Amino acid sequence: GAVVSQHPSWVICKSGTSVKIECRSLDFQATTMFWYRQFPKQSLMLMATSNEGSKATYEQGVEKDKFLINHASLTLSTLTVTSAHPEDSSFYICSARGEGEAYEQYFGPGTRLTVT
Amino acid sequence: GQNIDQPTEMTATEGAIVQINCTYQTSGFNGLFWYQQHAGEAPTFLSYNVLDGLEEKGRFSSFLSRSKGYSYLLLKELQMKDSASYLCAVTDSNYQLIWGAGTKLIIKP
Repeated sequence: GAVVSQHPSWVICKSGTSVKIECRSLDFQATTMFWYRQFPKQSLMLMATSNEGSKATYEQGVEKDKFLINHASLTLSTLTVTSAHPEDSSFYICSARGEGEAYEQYFGPGTRLTVT
Repeated sequence: GQNIDQPTEMTATEGAIVQINCTYQTSGFNGLFWYQQHAGEAPTFLSYNVLDGLEEKGRFSSFLSRSKGYSYLLLKELQMKDSASYLCAVTDSNYQLIWGAGTKLIIKP
């Protein structure tokens, strides 16, 4: 149980375009989803926290108009990188926490984004 | 501020034992996690400690001392596949995960 999927697993896009990454909890209802970014040889950096049906809470320094997060259902959250630049190239990972769970997050496999 | 410290890199020999330390200073404490992350992959859960003491799970054990703000992950009978980064993360008073930078463990034959 507690499986989280991400799609796509990797994507290449051109500068100025937008790309959407999906995060799904396959066998549980995720009341809270988290989006992380990880640059090479660095640790995970939390970008935002989203609760189903409400606006995401962004970490300091993360542009909410550039990284659009939608958590429309208890099994799906999406991250849209708008007007992508090469410096947005990174490994994006989502995680999900189920209702009643105080601590454990289940991670998706990650999405490798390359902006050319 | 919130801070988690762990060594950047460690090297150990196949079949040996290695201990990866983690110290933390956070606003509140609701548990400490250890995750394993292989290059290019997402983290996978190893252990969770919220009470003081040692939790053993197969070849991996995790220890916590809340009074000292200290934890360690102990890996026994090291295998080549254990080469990975090991991330220490603490859940603060808001149940947010605060991540350490990770310890890259290199296993040599």
